[in-house]
Amino acid sequence: GAVVSQHPSRVICKSGTSVKIECRSLDFQATTMFWYRQFPKQSLMLMATSNEGSKATYEQGVEKDKFLINHASLTLSTLTVTSAHPEDSSFYICSASGTSGDAETQYFGPGTRLLVL
Amino acid sequence: AQKVTQAQTEISVVEKEDVTLDCVYETRDTTYYLFWYKQPPSGELVFLIRRNSFDEQNEISGRYSWNFQKSTSSFNFTITASQVVDSAVYFCALSDYQGAQKLVFGQGTRLTINP
Repeated sequence: GAVVSQHPSRVICKSGTSVKIECRSLDFQATTMFWYRQFPKQSLMLMATSNEGSKATYEQGVEKDKFLINHASLTLSTLTVTSAHPEDSSFYICSASGTSGDAETQYFGPGTRLLVL
Repeated sequence: AQKVTQAQTEISVVEKEDVTLDCVYETRDTTYYLFWYKQPPSGELVFLIRRNSFDEQNEISGRYSWNFQKSTSSFNFTITASQVVDSAVYFCALSDYQGAQKLVFGQGTRLTINP
């Protein structure tokens, strides 16, 4: 139980385009989803927290208009990187917590590697 | 503010050796959660354990064991009889007991098990 998927696993795009990343909880309802960013050989940095049906709460320094987060259902959250630039290239990981047996634990997706050319 | 320190950036041992990964945390909360996650080369974080701050019992799961000591604010992780498949980056993390439950991660320890 507590499986989280992400799609796509890898994406390459041109500078200036927008990229959407999906995060799904497959076998439980995710009342809260989190989006992280991880640079090579570094730790995870929380970007935002989203609760189903409400606006995401962004961490300090994260641009809301650049990283659009939608959590429209209890099993799906999306992160859209708008007008992506090379500096947005990173590993993006989502996590979810909710109605699984251990509601206080975040379960992570496999991550999405974004490369902006 | 909450903070997690994993002082060991990289550890390399030979297979079958025991290895301990250190984790020291700081928090003003009296109740909180501590976690360990494993990140293999594939990138996905695998949940290993969650510990409540009011439960200081040590835990053993197969070759894995965890030592939680509130007196020293430490939550160390030991792998006995290490195997090559244990090679990964291991993260210790801390979250508050109630509220947003945001995770604060340590910098991670890259563990390499050599055959």
